[in-house]
Amino acid sequence: DVKVTQSSRYLVKRTGEKVFLECVQDMDHENMFWYRQDPGLGLRLIYFSYDVKMKEKGDIPEGYSVSREKKERFSLILESASTNQTSMYLCASSSGFRGNQPQHFGDGTRLSIL
Amino acid sequence: KNEVEQSPQNLTAQEGEFITINCSYSVGISALHWLQQHPGGGIVSLFMLSSGKKKHGRLIATINIQEKHSSLHITASHPRDSAVYICAVDSGGSNYKLTFGKGTLLTVNP
Repeated sequence: DVKVTQSSRYLVKRTGEKVFLECVQDMDHENMFWYRQDPGLGLRLIYFSYDVKMKEKGDIPEGYSVSREKKERFSLILESASTNQTSMYLCASSSGFRGNQPQHFGDGTRLSIL
Repeated sequence: KNEVEQSPQNLTAQEGEFITINCSYSVGISALHWLQQHPGGGIVSLFMLSSGKKKHGRLIATINIQEKHSSLHITASHPRDSAVYICAVDSGGSNYKLTFGKGTLLTVNP
């Protein structure tokens, strides 16, 4: 079974802090994704990566950056956390070179910015 | 941009009832995904389909490409089926993005 592991289930940080969310997958998947999920808005793509050191902006990249130095690890960085970044963050991975493969999700990190 | 609409937004059923959740999209797709999210966050992929019908246990997913519509059916519903069900589409092309519906919250009462 594919396992996608997010480093924290719950995280509380302060406004202005630099925040790192880590995601690791164990199935050698090429593609990795970061989403945020907010009530009434559904899942929105922040960034995705289709290979090591490759990244592309999703629908809401502002205020975020990502890093993929190794194939199995995809990090989301909040450069200077703000209260409007309080949300549930979900990481996912998939195989293949297109988006038509099932995505495997982590359990999510509920991030609160105070 | 593909618009994905799910209905209903909320659904309450009694144990044993047959459940249908609908998903419509606006632009042709290469694949449609049904996902399940239980309280607490984790999302599980239930089905990926591009035509016809798929069945897994008590769950059945169908898609009508011409009508740009998919349905997720649950037979003999059970309280453990209570979850948010999310439809997502891959619109094809050279990107990797899925477009997600806002989800249907299903509550099955014993």
